[in-house]
Amino acid sequence: AQKVTQAQTEISVVEKEDVTLDCVYETRDTTYYLFWYKQPPSGELVFLIRRNSFDEQNEISGRYSWNFQKSTSSFNFTITASQVVDSAVYFCALRAYTGANSKLTFGKGITLSVRP
Amino acid sequence: DTAVSQTPKYLVTQMGNDKSIKCEQNLGHDTMYWYKQDSKKFLKIMFSYNNKELIINETVPNRFSPKSPDKAHLNLHINSLELGDSAVYFCASSQVPGSPYEQYFGPGTRLTVT
Repeated sequence: AQKVTQAQTEISVVEKEDVTLDCVYETRDTTYYLFWYKQPPSGELVFLIRRNSFDEQNEISGRYSWNFQKSTSSFNFTITASQVVDSAVYFCALRAYTGANSKLTFGKGITLSVRP
Repeated sequence: DTAVSQTPKYLVTQMGNDKSIKCEQNLGHDTMYWYKQDSKKFLKIMFSYNNKELIINETVPNRFSPKSPDKAHLNLHINSLELGDSAVYFCASSQVPGSPYEQYFGPGTRLTVT
């Protein structure tokens, strides 16, 4: 069985602060994929990043960065210099590479509020 | 040039009615999914189809029946609607099943059963 834990439920920061969203996962598979999705107040789900289990390089995209640590089964997401538009629910998700019926398992999401 | 579209966006209906939600993707993907997001924002997969064939069927009541007329469309029909069916339903698509590729989601359909 696979599981994604996002222990933080709600985070509130003031604009321009840095914020890290934590994600811890469990899986017995040796090959798996991790994802982050953003759900803004408008409701759609927006794909942010995919990371393969065999690629532990961190990634930076503008103000966003992701830290994947296999040793601690974590895939954390940092927003630098947060902006009001970053206010959203952020989901971490995991899919094991076990064939056609592999499922995407989501964490419960973290609600981020960025205040002006 | 919408990638994954769903209709309707909002659906308000009474208990006991039957309703359908339609989904279409123009990404050329082989696999489509239905997810349910409850009031606490928890997302859970319901069904997955690959090239019109059902490959994932979670423990969903029989009142829910997906139908895929072709690989670009996946509809969800719900019979005898109950209050507990109120949720946001998301359609998604991805490239071949079991691949590492991300899933792209539609805008969601907010179903309210009164």
